[in-house]
Amino acid sequence: IAGITQAPTSQILAAGRRMTLRCTQDMRHNAMYWYRQDLGLGLRLIHYSNTAGTTGKGEVPDGYSVSRANTDDFPLTLASAVPSQTSVYFCASSTNSGRATDEQFFGPGTRLTVL
Amino acid sequence: GQNIDQPTEMTATEGAIVQINCTYQTSGFNGLFWYQQHAGEAPTFLSYNVLDGLEEKGRFSSFLSRSKGYSYLLLKELQMKDSASYLCAALDSNYQLIWGAGTKLIIKP
Repeated sequence: IAGITQAPTSQILAAGRRMTLRCTQDMRHNAMYWYRQDLGLGLRLIHYSNTAGTTGKGEVPDGYSVSRANTDDFPLTLASAVPSQTSVYFCASSTNSGRATDEQFFGPGTRLTVL
Repeated sequence: GQNIDQPTEMTATEGAIVQINCTYQTSGFNGLFWYQQHAGEAPTFLSYNVLDGLEEKGRFSSFLSRSKGYSYLLLKELQMKDSASYLCAALDSNYQLIWGAGTKLIIKP
């Protein structure tokens, strides 16, 4: 693995289903982030983690949960998907934790459609 | 509230210069980022400014005025590969990034 990866690349999901988006980085970065990107809107932070074992809520956390059991992995779970969660989801990481003045490295994204 | 404003779309000619403006209103300020995002791809880092002034990095330069809540990204000697969206993001007092919707730059030959 080189950098940050996400899986799946794309997914079509029935409303009400549970879904986990995977994110793995091999850069030993402390901080990791989940964003959603919708047309005409800026990236919006869903959840973040400043270091393994800790997580925090971003701007739009409702309907999503995360865990950070180790440094490398930061999965995002939709417990019961709704059509408004149709979006492109980006995972990102950065070296800093807490004071995020370092650049963020982004994964390739997951395009999720909820029907 | 916190807000980032940047033009939705701009068009420029190959070989020319273009300036993409960004104004921000945040609770506190800890710096301003510019990212490039090609269609269907992930954003990639271009620049970070925290002090007033111009930072030059090859064909790309970024300017910040903290007193005016204003930044711009200057792209020189435009190439077709510069066709992309350019995202402005400000770091607030809680070190959370507030993102603009992005400026889609179209380069014409």
